[in-house]
Amino acid sequence: QKEVEQDPGPLSVPEGAIVSLNCTYSNSAFQYFMWYRQYSRKGPELLMYTYSSGNKEDGRFTAQVDKSSKYISLFIRDSQPSDSATYLCAMSAGYSSASKIIFGSGTRLSIRP
Amino acid sequence: DTEVTQTPKHLVMGMTNKKSLKCEQHMGHRAMYWYKQKAKKPPELMFVYSYEKLSINESVPSRFSPECPNSSLLNLHLHALQPEDSALYLCASSPQGTYGYTFGSGTRLTVV
Repeated sequence: QKEVEQDPGPLSVPEGAIVSLNCTYSNSAFQYFMWYRQYSRKGPELLMYTYSSGNKEDGRFTAQVDKSSKYISLFIRDSQPSDSATYLCAMSAGYSSASKIIFGSGTRLSIRP
Repeated sequence: DTEVTQTPKHLVMGMTNKKSLKCEQHMGHRAMYWYKQKAKKPPELMFVYSYEKLSINESVPSRFSPECPNSSLLNLHLHALQPEDSALYLCASSPQGTYGYTFGSGTRLTVV
């Protein structure tokens, strides 16, 4: 079993829709949770960073963490064609640079105009 | 400056060649990382430098040799690579820890 599971998609939704992206994990030691966006031929870009359980909102993006279920989500409201990218969840047990970040395999998202 | 700059963007090398990848950041970040990413796969950690000292080597073959000459620069020296080493090589930096990672755009390496 992989430490982090993420549906690879592709996921295609019409412009303006609410998008829900999810990951599950098996390691209960994970405490720091991240979402990255990666455009084709570019490096990943950090979108959201959360600690422990709860919600965090930033503009059109909301990240949710449910540690009891080992489940994290990213919601994108009012989706735009520019949101078309691969979204990677990521998590780590610690904060220091020695704490290894484990990435999900990524979900390819396409927003149809 | 909020960028991590990687050069070259593309590299084709033979299995007997020696080449180097370069990564530069001027954000004052004290942790720098090399990752390898194969197509449609997540990034895989290779090396971590913290305060210019190698702190993590993820059992990477010796044909990959990292170097951190100063706090702004990170190199990855390549020698006698195999075709299966073809991938996108990403450099990242962070202030010190998992928060605030900034990735470069990567070097797309092809070994022939």
